[in-house]
Amino acid sequence: DAGVTQSPTHLIKTRGQQVTLRCSPKSGHDTVSWYQQALGQGPQFIFQYYEEEERQRGNFPDRFSGHQFPNYSSELNVNALLLGDSALYLCASSGTGTVNTGELFFGEGSRLTVL
Amino acid sequence: AQSVTQLDSQVPVFEEAPVELRCNYSSSVSVYLFWYVQYPNQGLQLLLKYLSGSTLVKGINGFEAEFNKSQTSFHLRKPSVHISDTAEYFCAVRPTGSARQLTFGSGTQLTVLP
Repeated sequence: DAGVTQSPTHLIKTRGQQVTLRCSPKSGHDTVSWYQQALGQGPQFIFQYYEEEERQRGNFPDRFSGHQFPNYSSELNVNALLLGDSALYLCASSGTGTVNTGELFFGEGSRLTVL
Repeated sequence: AQSVTQLDSQVPVFEEAPVELRCNYSSSVSVYLFWYVQYPNQGLQLLLKYLSGSTLVKGINGFEAEFNKSQTSFHLRKPSVHISDTAEYFCAVRPTGSARQLTFGSGTQLTVLP
């Protein structure tokens, strides 16, 4: 049973560029959340997708956007990159109903460096 | 809104000694509580969780935590640590309702010394 998978694992961009990160949830999960973890800090909630819609959003600017596909996979897009966007971006999945164990399962993350 | 405070940013301890990592939270609603571990250059792995029932929760790798509602604490303990326990540990909470957003603390770096 594959867990949460994310791609790419590492990438380097320059200021002003745009980036797309991808996530496939754990089998049987239908909800995907994205977190940003800056160096030396705890993860910060960006947003959550369920049934292809953004259901909750943290305190992040509109430069951060996302999408969820019918197969429950998700993308995180960041436009007009800033140096401060350098971080590890974590995807987490969870289930509903009988699949809901109360916890989130995390992927290995995508490390973004903005130069 | 919820907030989580991990009182120690770094905890050095010798191998085979006991350890306690402290976590306090604040919330206006009922919450579930979690401890996650992060090894270098990896994602987060769940150590244990408190959803309901017994306030003493046992997790993987010999860790346990006790939920104290009156003190709004969820401290993580292990009676004897190993070198392999060296990692960053995060305490997190989420509301018991439909929202599944986790609020994390800033983390505690546990370093086990030989």
